[in-house]
Amino acid sequence: ELKVEQNPLFLSMQEGKNYTIYCNYSTTSDRLYWYRQDPGKSLESLFVLLSNGAVKQEGRLMASLDTKARLSTLHITAAVHDLSATYFCAVDSPSNYQLIWGAGTKLIIKP
Amino acid sequence: DGGITQSPKYLFRKEGQNVTLSCEQNLNHDAMYWYRQDPGQGLRLIYYSQIVNDFQKGDIAEGYSVSREKKESFPLTVTSAQKNPTAFYLCASSPSGGGLQETQYFGPGTRLLVL
Repeated sequence: ELKVEQNPLFLSMQEGKNYTIYCNYSTTSDRLYWYRQDPGKSLESLFVLLSNGAVKQEGRLMASLDTKARLSTLHITAAVHDLSATYFCAVDSPSNYQLIWGAGTKLIIKP
Repeated sequence: DGGITQSPKYLFRKEGQNVTLSCEQNLNHDAMYWYRQDPGQGLRLIYYSQIVNDFQKGDIAEGYSVSREKKESFPLTVTSAQKNPTAFYLCASSPSGGGLQETQYFGPGTRLLVL
């Protein structure tokens, strides 16, 4: 059974600091996705990582994928309050058309 | 503007009542999905459909039903058999239902509460 684990599940940090969210998955998968959810809102796609070594950056967020280690990271550089949200990673299930979701990392950035 | 719409935004259900949540997309996507999200939790798949007139159960299909009579529409019915329906329901779509998973685009969600 494919499992996706995120850590930490909760993170409180100060503005201006750097931090990394980790997403581990248990079996081979071709794609990994990062989404953002603001409180009470829907999910917004951030990144799709398609191959080993893939790196994508958007503003203060950078995502990377290591398929050999079955690990993706979401790095936050010089955090700002507007990045406060819950971040989810998800991977393709190899056996069907589903996405398997992590539990989410709730990120609070204090001014 | 292309996108996914869900209605209503809030829905109240009485005991023993069936309720239907609407999901419409004008993105010309083949695949559509329904997820349930409980407070502080991740997403769990209820049903998905890769093509019109076809759909498959997800991980938590019991107490729910769907139909896919049109490409644009994928309504979800929460039946009286679902004993704990209070949750945030998210509809999503993706371009291809042909076996290649792609980015899913989400609607704004419906919050269902039991009276």
